[in-house]
Amino acid sequence: QSALTQPPSASGSPGQSVTISCTGTSSDVGGYNYVSWYQQHPGKAPKLIIFDVTKRPSGVPDRFSGSLSGNTASLTVSGLQAEDEADYYCSSYAGSNNLVFGGGTKLTVL
Amino acid sequence: QVQLQESGPGLVKPSETLSLTCTVSGDSISSAYYWGWIRQPPGKGLEWLGTIYHSGSTYYNPSLKSRLTISVDTSESQFSLRLSSVTAADTALYYCARRAVRYYFDYWGQGTLVTVSS
Repeated sequence: QSALTQPPSASGSPGQSVTISCTGTSSDVGGYNYVSWYQQHPGKAPKLIIFDVTKRPSGVPDRFSGSLSGNTASLTVSGLQAEDEADYYCSSYAGSNNLVFGGGTKLTVL
Repeated sequence: QVQLQESGPGLVKPSETLSLTCTVSGDSISSAYYWGWIRQPPGKGLEWLGTIYHSGSTYYNPSLKSRLTISVDTSESQFSLRLSSVTAADTALYYCARRAVRYYFDYWGQGTLVTVSS
Protein backbone atom coordinates (compact mmCIF):
# COMPACT_ATOMS: atom_id res chain seq x y z
CA GLN A 1 0.00 0.00 0.00
CA SER A 2 1.29 3.47 -0.89
CA ALA A 3 1.06 6.58 1.25
CA LEU A 4 -1.78 8.93 0.44
CA THR A 5 -0.74 12.07 -1.44
CA GLN A 6 -0.89 15.42 0.32
CA PRO A 7 0.67 18.75 -0.72
CA PRO A 8 3.80 19.33 1.35
CA SER A 9 2.73 22.81 2.32
CA ALA A 10 -0.23 25.16 2.47
CA SER A 11 -0.66 28.68 3.77
CA GLY A 12 -3.18 31.39 4.44
CA SER A 13 -3.62 34.63 6.31
CA PRO A 14 -5.56 34.92 9.56
CA GLY A 15 -9.28 34.82 8.91
CA GLN A 16 -8.92 33.17 5.52
CA SER A 17 -9.83 29.60 4.58
CA VAL A 18 -7.41 26.96 3.39
CA THR A 19 -8.09 23.49 1.99
CA ILE A 20 -5.69 20.57 2.16
CA SER A 21 -6.19 17.64 -0.20
CA CYS A 22 -5.52 13.95 0.38
CA THR A 23 -5.52 11.77 -2.73
CA GLY A 24 -5.63 8.01 -2.72
CA THR A 25 -7.24 5.30 -4.79
CA SER A 26 -10.49 3.40 -4.99
CA SER A 27 -8.84 0.84 -2.69
CA ASP A 28 -8.54 3.28 0.17
CA VAL A 29 -9.88 6.85 0.21
CA GLY A 30 -12.43 6.29 -2.54
CA GLY A 31 -13.54 2.91 -1.33
CA TYR A 32 -14.63 3.64 2.21
CA ASN A 33 -16.02 6.51 4.28
CA TYR A 34 -13.21 6.03 6.80
CA VAL A 35 -10.99 9.06 6.26
CA SER A 36 -9.60 10.80 9.32
CA TRP A 37 -7.44 13.87 9.82
CA TYR A 38 -4.87 14.65 12.49
CA GLN A 39 -3.26 17.88 13.61
CA GLN A 40 0.28 17.76 14.96
CA HIS A 41 2.03 20.67 16.59
CA PRO A 42 5.85 20.55 16.92
CA GLY A 43 6.97 18.14 19.60
CA LYS A 44 3.43 16.93 20.25
CA ALA A 45 1.50 13.77 19.48
CA PRO A 46 -1.04 13.90 16.65
CA LYS A 47 -4.56 14.98 17.61
CA LEU A 48 -7.67 13.67 15.90
CA ILE A 49 -9.68 16.50 14.33
CA ILE A 50 -11.89 14.73 11.76
CA PHE A 51 -13.13 11.14 11.52
CA ASP A 52 -15.53 9.32 9.21
CA VAL A 53 -14.72 11.92 6.52
CA THR A 54 -16.79 14.74 8.01
CA LYS A 55 -17.27 14.24 11.76
CA ARG A 56 -15.55 16.30 14.46
CA PRO A 57 -14.65 14.94 17.90
CA SER A 58 -15.99 16.85 20.85
CA GLY A 59 -13.96 19.98 21.48
CA VAL A 60 -12.72 20.45 17.92
CA PRO A 61 -13.84 23.85 16.55
CA ASP A 62 -16.34 23.83 13.71
CA ARG A 63 -13.79 25.81 11.71
CA PHE A 64 -12.43 22.41 10.76
CA SER A 65 -14.44 20.48 8.19
CA GLY A 66 -13.89 17.47 5.98
CA SER A 67 -15.22 16.27 2.66
CA LEU A 68 -14.74 13.51 0.10
CA SER A 69 -15.03 13.46 -3.67
CA GLY A 70 -14.02 10.37 -5.55
CA ASN A 71 -10.55 9.33 -4.44
CA THR A 72 -9.71 12.70 -2.86
CA ALA A 73 -10.53 13.79 0.65
CA SER A 74 -10.16 17.37 1.78
CA LEU A 75 -9.73 19.22 5.05
CA THR A 76 -10.86 22.84 5.13
CA VAL A 77 -9.80 25.20 7.89
CA SER A 78 -11.96 28.31 7.93
CA GLY A 79 -11.25 31.53 9.78
CA LEU A 80 -7.57 30.68 10.12
CA GLN A 81 -6.02 31.37 13.48
CA ALA A 82 -2.39 31.46 14.53
CA GLU A 83 -2.80 28.27 16.56
CA ASP A 84 -3.86 26.39 13.43
CA GLU A 85 -0.25 26.46 12.25
CA ALA A 86 0.74 22.80 12.42
CA ASP A 87 1.29 19.67 10.37
CA TYR A 88 -1.84 17.91 9.14
CA TYR A 89 -2.08 14.24 8.21
CA CYS A 90 -4.89 12.33 6.57
CA SER A 91 -5.47 8.63 7.08
CA SER A 92 -7.73 6.11 5.41
CA TYR A 93 -8.84 2.55 5.82
CA ALA A 94 -7.28 0.51 3.02
CA GLY A 95 -9.12 -2.78 3.33
CA SER A 96 -8.20 -6.00 5.16
CA ASN A 97 -7.77 -4.07 8.41
CA ASN A 98 -4.95 -2.02 6.90
CA LEU A 99 -4.52 1.70 7.41
CA VAL A 100 -2.53 4.23 5.42
CA PHE A 101 -1.45 7.78 6.23
CA GLY A 102 -0.75 10.71 3.96
CA GLY A 103 2.69 12.27 3.79
CA GLY A 104 1.58 15.32 5.75
CA THR A 105 1.01 19.00 4.99
CA LYS A 106 2.67 21.85 6.83
CA LEU A 107 0.14 24.65 7.27
CA THR A 108 1.60 28.10 7.73
CA VAL A 109 -0.49 31.02 8.97
CA LEU A 110 1.02 34.09 7.35
CA GLN B 1 -9.55 10.27 30.57
CA VAL B 2 -7.81 7.64 28.47
CA GLN B 3 -4.04 7.72 28.74
CA LEU B 4 -1.38 5.71 26.94
CA GLN B 5 2.30 5.61 27.85
CA GLU B 6 5.07 4.08 25.77
CA SER B 7 8.13 2.59 27.42
CA GLY B 8 11.25 0.82 26.27
CA PRO B 9 14.90 1.28 25.32
CA GLY B 10 15.79 4.46 23.48
CA LEU B 11 18.76 2.90 21.73
CA VAL B 12 18.87 -0.38 19.81
CA LYS B 13 21.77 -1.84 17.87
CA PRO B 14 21.42 -2.70 14.17
CA SER B 15 20.18 -6.25 13.49
CA GLU B 16 18.73 -6.52 17.01
CA THR B 17 15.09 -6.46 18.08
CA LEU B 18 13.27 -3.30 19.10
CA SER B 19 10.79 -3.87 21.95
CA LEU B 20 8.28 -1.36 23.27
CA THR B 21 5.34 -1.56 25.66
CA CYS B 22 2.29 0.66 25.88
CA THR B 23 0.46 0.91 29.20
CA VAL B 24 -3.21 1.90 29.02
CA SER B 25 -5.12 3.67 31.78
CA GLY B 26 -8.57 5.24 31.93
CA ASP B 27 -10.08 2.54 29.72
CA SER B 28 -10.17 -1.21 29.74
CA ILE B 29 -7.83 -2.74 27.21
CA SER B 30 -10.57 -5.34 26.82
CA SER B 31 -13.10 -2.77 25.66
CA ALA B 32 -14.50 -2.59 22.14
CA TYR B 33 -11.51 -0.60 20.93
CA TYR B 34 -8.39 -1.72 19.13
CA TRP B 35 -4.85 -0.74 20.05
CA GLY B 36 -2.20 0.31 17.58
CA TRP B 37 1.35 1.39 16.91
CA ILE B 38 2.35 4.25 14.63
CA ARG B 39 5.84 5.62 14.02
CA GLN B 40 7.31 8.84 12.71
CA PRO B 41 10.93 9.07 11.52
CA PRO B 42 12.57 12.37 12.46
CA GLY B 43 11.21 15.15 10.26
CA LYS B 44 8.97 12.76 8.32
CA GLY B 45 5.38 11.59 8.22
CA LEU B 46 3.33 9.02 10.09
CA GLU B 47 3.41 5.31 9.30
CA TRP B 48 0.87 2.81 10.62
CA LEU B 49 2.65 -0.27 11.93
CA GLY B 50 -0.06 -2.54 13.23
CA THR B 51 -3.11 -3.03 15.41
CA ILE B 52 -4.26 -5.57 17.99
CA TYR B 53 -7.57 -6.44 19.61
CA HIS B 54 -7.81 -7.72 23.16
CA SER B 55 -8.65 -11.16 21.81
CA GLY B 56 -5.17 -11.26 20.33
CA SER B 57 -6.18 -10.70 16.72
CA THR B 58 -3.45 -8.75 14.97
CA TYR B 59 -3.24 -6.70 11.77
CA TYR B 60 0.11 -5.63 10.38
CA ASN B 61 1.38 -3.19 7.78
CA PRO B 62 2.26 -5.50 4.88
CA SER B 63 5.63 -3.81 4.46
CA LEU B 64 6.66 -4.76 8.00
CA LYS B 65 4.73 -7.97 8.54
CA SER B 66 7.77 -10.25 8.34
CA ARG B 67 9.57 -8.36 11.14
CA LEU B 68 6.73 -7.20 13.37
CA THR B 69 4.95 -8.82 16.29
CA ILE B 70 2.31 -7.13 18.42
CA SER B 71 0.98 -8.77 21.56
CA VAL B 72 -1.40 -7.89 24.38
CA ASP B 73 -1.38 -8.56 28.12
CA THR B 74 -4.87 -7.80 29.37
CA SER B 75 -3.95 -8.50 33.01
CA GLU B 76 -1.41 -5.67 32.89
CA SER B 77 -3.43 -3.39 30.56
CA GLN B 78 -0.49 -3.38 28.19
CA PHE B 79 0.23 -4.15 24.60
CA SER B 80 3.67 -4.52 23.09
CA LEU B 81 5.60 -4.23 19.85
CA ARG B 82 8.61 -6.22 18.74
CA LEU B 83 10.40 -5.29 15.52
CA SER B 84 13.22 -7.59 14.53
CA SER B 85 16.35 -7.06 12.43
CA VAL B 86 16.27 -3.30 12.81
CA THR B 87 18.30 -0.89 10.70
CA ALA B 88 18.86 2.85 10.84
CA ALA B 89 15.66 3.23 8.80
CA ASP B 90 13.71 2.09 11.86
CA THR B 91 14.88 5.11 13.86
CA ALA B 92 11.69 6.96 14.70
CA LEU B 93 9.33 8.33 17.30
CA TYR B 94 7.05 5.41 18.15
CA TYR B 95 3.49 6.14 19.24
CA CYS B 96 0.88 3.84 20.69
CA ALA B 97 -2.74 4.80 20.24
CA ARG B 98 -6.33 3.67 20.74
CA ARG B 99 -8.14 2.84 17.52
CA ALA B 100 -11.89 3.02 17.16
CA VAL B 101 -13.87 0.42 15.26
CA ARG B 102 -14.14 2.85 12.37
CA TYR B 103 -10.39 3.06 11.85
CA TYR B 104 -9.36 6.32 13.49
CA PHE B 105 -7.00 6.87 16.42
CA ASP B 106 -8.65 8.99 19.10
CA TYR B 107 -6.11 8.80 21.93
CA TRP B 108 -2.33 8.79 21.52
CA GLY B 109 0.63 8.33 23.79
CA GLN B 110 3.28 11.03 23.94
CA GLY B 111 5.64 8.92 21.83
CA THR B 112 9.05 7.48 22.53
CA LEU B 113 12.14 8.02 20.40
CA VAL B 114 14.02 4.90 19.39
CA THR B 115 17.39 5.30 17.73
CA VAL B 116 19.02 2.42 15.89
CA SER B 117 22.77 2.82 16.11
CA SER B 118 25.83 0.84 17.08
